[in-house]
Amino acid sequence: QKEVEQNSGPLSVPEGAIASLNCTYSDRGSQSFFWYRQYSGKSPELIMSIYSNGDKEDGRFTAQLNKASQYVSLLIRDSQPSDSATYLCAVATQGGSEKLVFGKGMKLTVNP
Amino acid sequence: DVKVTQSSRYLVKRTGEKVFLECVQDMDHENMFWYRQDPGLGLRLIYFSYDVKMKEKGDIPEGYSVSREKKERFSLILESASTNQTSMYLCASSLRATYNSPLHFGNGTRLTVT
Repeated sequence: QKEVEQNSGPLSVPEGAIASLNCTYSDRGSQSFFWYRQYSGKSPELIMSIYSNGDKEDGRFTAQLNKASQYVSLLIRDSQPSDSATYLCAVATQGGSEKLVFGKGMKLTVNP
Repeated sequence: DVKVTQSSRYLVKRTGEKVFLECVQDMDHENMFWYRQDPGLGLRLIYFSYDVKMKEKGDIPEGYSVSREKKERFSLILESASTNQTSMYLCASSLRATYNSPLHFGNGTRLTVT
């Protein structure tokens, strides 16, 4: 059973701080990694994707991937109250049925 | 932008009813998916389809069926609704194989079975 684990949380940070969200996965064949943001009562929306080792930056968001250690993280710099949401890590493997496996999510609260 | 539209935002049905949840995407995506999301359990895949008339079971297909007669439309059917099927249902689509193509979600249907 392929698993994706996220810290249980919740995570609370002050406005302007860096929020760090982590995710580990069990399947070494995993090829693609995604971070989704889900506001309360809304559906998940894609905010980052990463496919190779290293960092990928998009505005205030940085995704970090380390395939050897089987973890992927999301850093949010200069956190804003509007970043308060649940963040879902999702991992896909190549071939086969090609399903995404989601973590259970980490709730982030950014306090003004 | 990709648009995935679910026909209903809220539904209330009675136990034993046959329930249809409809989903339409407008970007000619190959793959379509149905998930349910429950507190503490996260997103769980019910069924997915990678082509018209093709379907594959996800992790929790029991009590559900699906239909994909047209590329843009993917329907989830609850043959005989039960209270344990009360949940948020999310439809999603992806352009091609998910390993290099992210999912785009609809707004969700919150189904209550009484």
